[in-house]
Amino acid sequence: AQTVTQSQPEMSVQEAETVTLSCTYDTSESNYYLFWYKQPPSRQMILVIRQEAYKQQNATENRFSVNFQKAAKSFSLKISDSQLGDTAMYFCAFIHTSGTYKYIFGTGTRLKVLA
Amino acid sequence: EAQVTQNPRYLITVTGKKLTVTCSQNMNHEYMSWYRQDPGLGLRQIYYSMNVEVTDKGDVPEGYKVSRKEKRNFPLILESPSPNQTSLYFCASSLSPNSYEQYFGPGTRLTVT
Repeated sequence: AQTVTQSQPEMSVQEAETVTLSCTYDTSESNYYLFWYKQPPSRQMILVIRQEAYKQQNATENRFSVNFQKAAKSFSLKISDSQLGDTAMYFCAFIHTSGTYKYIFGTGTRLKVLA
Repeated sequence: EAQVTQNPRYLITVTGKKLTVTCSQNMNHEYMSWYRQDPGLGLRQIYYSMNVEVTDKGDVPEGYKVSRKEKRNFPLILESPSPNQTSLYFCASSLSPNSYEQYFGPGTRLTVT
């Protein structure tokens, strides 16, 4: 079965510091995309970053970067220079790029940035 | 403005009373999807649609129906709602299944008593 596991239900970080959210997944396919989504208290779902499984280079978007370890099926999110606006629920997700096109999401990590 | 709209935003209903949650996107996206979000369970995909008249089950389709008669609309139908369908529901769309971003609607909070 395809699964996504986020083992940290809650985390906190001091403003301006760095935090890493972990995500592991399970799939027998070799072609897929991985995502991190952010859900602030407004409930709106916002894409943070995307990684194509065929790319070895880790994706980066400003203060957000990933550590993608395909063999280990690991996809962690690093947030640098944390800001109060980063306080949110973060979801890891993946979708295969062929066959079925189901999205699989993790259970989420609630991140609180402390002033 | 590019957006995904859902209606209603909040709904309280009783067991067994059929309801429909509408979803519409104005971006000419091919892929549309419904999710439910429950505490501790994250988002789970209910149904998705690759294009008009093409729908497929996600991980939790039981108790739900969908249709895709027009590209822009993807309604979610609960023919006989039950209390275990109390949840936060999101509709989402993207240009293609694995395109850069899914655009999410604002969510519908459903309570079934």
